[in-house]
Amino acid sequence: NAGVTQTPKFRILKIGQSMTLQCTQDMNHNYMYWYRQDPGMGLKLIYYSVGAGITDKGEVPNGYNVSRSTTEDFPLRLELAAPSQTSVYFCASSQRTSGRMTDTQYFGPGTRLTVL
Amino acid sequence: AQSVTQLDSQVPVFEEAPVELRCNYSSSVSVYLFWYVQYPNQGLQLLLKYLSGSTLVESINGFEAEFNKSQTSFHLRKPSVHISDTAEYFCAVSDQTNDYKLSFGAGTTVTVRA
Repeated sequence: NAGVTQTPKFRILKIGQSMTLQCTQDMNHNYMYWYRQDPGMGLKLIYYSVGAGITDKGEVPNGYNVSRSTTEDFPLRLELAAPSQTSVYFCASSQRTSGRMTDTQYFGPGTRLTVL
Repeated sequence: AQSVTQLDSQVPVFEEAPVELRCNYSSSVSVYLFWYVQYPNQGLQLLLKYLSGSTLVESINGFEAEFNKSQTSFHLRKPSVHISDTAEYFCAVSDQTNDYKLSFGAGTTVTVRA
């Protein structure tokens, strides 16, 4: 049981390049999340998904896209990388059931992205 | 919408000394409260949470936090820290106004010295 895995661990992009950050969970969780972590700012929610085929914007979605074709995978796409997207990106998952309005989120190890 | 303020960005502390990390939140409705810990170069892990019931919650490694509704606080304490407690600690809140998604504070870095 690997939990939440993310690839790559590190990446350097040039301005205007695109890339996909991969996230996979093996806990059969229905909810998945993408956050970015900037120094002194805590974590900000980019996108989240409540199940396969359903995604929604979080607090800072501009410049990103997501898809959720399976329960396990939730990739994050950067189409035109900008220096403002330099950050550490975390994927998380949780199991939310009806009648239980909160849940523990399990985080991956993160992807450190630098855009130059 | 809810928000979280962590009042200390850096807390240096000597080994075996007590530590308190302060967290205040704002919300107009009932809340759930969390403390997550991030060890160097790792993702976040849940340390403890308050959902309902007893206002004092404890973790398995000696941390405790107390929910104080009148002061809208959820401070984290440990009576005696170890070198291995060196990490960044995040307070988070969720409530129904945001579909119970987590809002995180900016984090507090705890550095434990021998």
